[in-house]
Amino acid sequence: DARVTQTPRHKVTEMGQEVTMRCQPILGHNTVFWYRQTMMQGLELLAYFRNRAPLDDSGMPKDRFSAEMPDATLATLKIQPSEPRDSAVYFCASGLSRGAGDTQYFGPGTRLTVL
Amino acid sequence: AQSVTQLGSHVSVSEGALVLLRCNYSSSVPPYLFWYVQYPNQGLQLLLKYTSAATLVKGINGFEAEFKKSETSFHLTKPSAHMSDAAEYFCAVRRISNFGNEKLTFGTGTRLTIIP
Repeated sequence: DARVTQTPRHKVTEMGQEVTMRCQPILGHNTVFWYRQTMMQGLELLAYFRNRAPLDDSGMPKDRFSAEMPDATLATLKIQPSEPRDSAVYFCASGLSRGAGDTQYFGPGTRLTVL
Repeated sequence: AQSVTQLGSHVSVSEGALVLLRCNYSSSVPPYLFWYVQYPNQGLQLLLKYTSAATLVKGINGFEAEFKKSETSFHLTKPSAHMSDAAEYFCAVRRISNFGNEKLTFGTGTRLTIIP
């Protein structure tokens, strides 16, 4: 049963620290998405990649957030420096880009708490 | 620009009763529409999707949704609620971007509570 995996599942850190979240997309999928979920804002798309190339990161605060895909099996989302307002659940999703009806498969999320 | 509105942030139904979760969309082009479910402390899981084929779409766990262009709606229904249906449900529309068309815009979600 192929699944998107995310590590860590929970992260508590102090303001100003660097945070790195990792995602392993489903093998063979060529699109990867990073979402942030908060009570106030709901689900927001931060960035997405196709064939490892960043296509759109307009939803991401550029001054502190960065997203990369070092290889096809790993996507990373980094926050440096972290702030309390970054506390949220961060989801990674992957898909196979064949058309507009493609399904995105979500990972279990990383719950980030910044103190 | 495409968007979705989910009416009712909380819905409670009795076990065995009809489930109806509302979603209205706004789109300048024929939309692709999705319903996802999120169980506590889990990621989102696709329930069903409309991609311009049949207007009545059947999904997993007995859910279905009907695309009604005249009403710009894509409401989710299930004839008989089960305790295991308690979760948060998200309607989403595919956004068309300059870079392709994989991006989803999600509604604010509806939390479904099942009353024993």
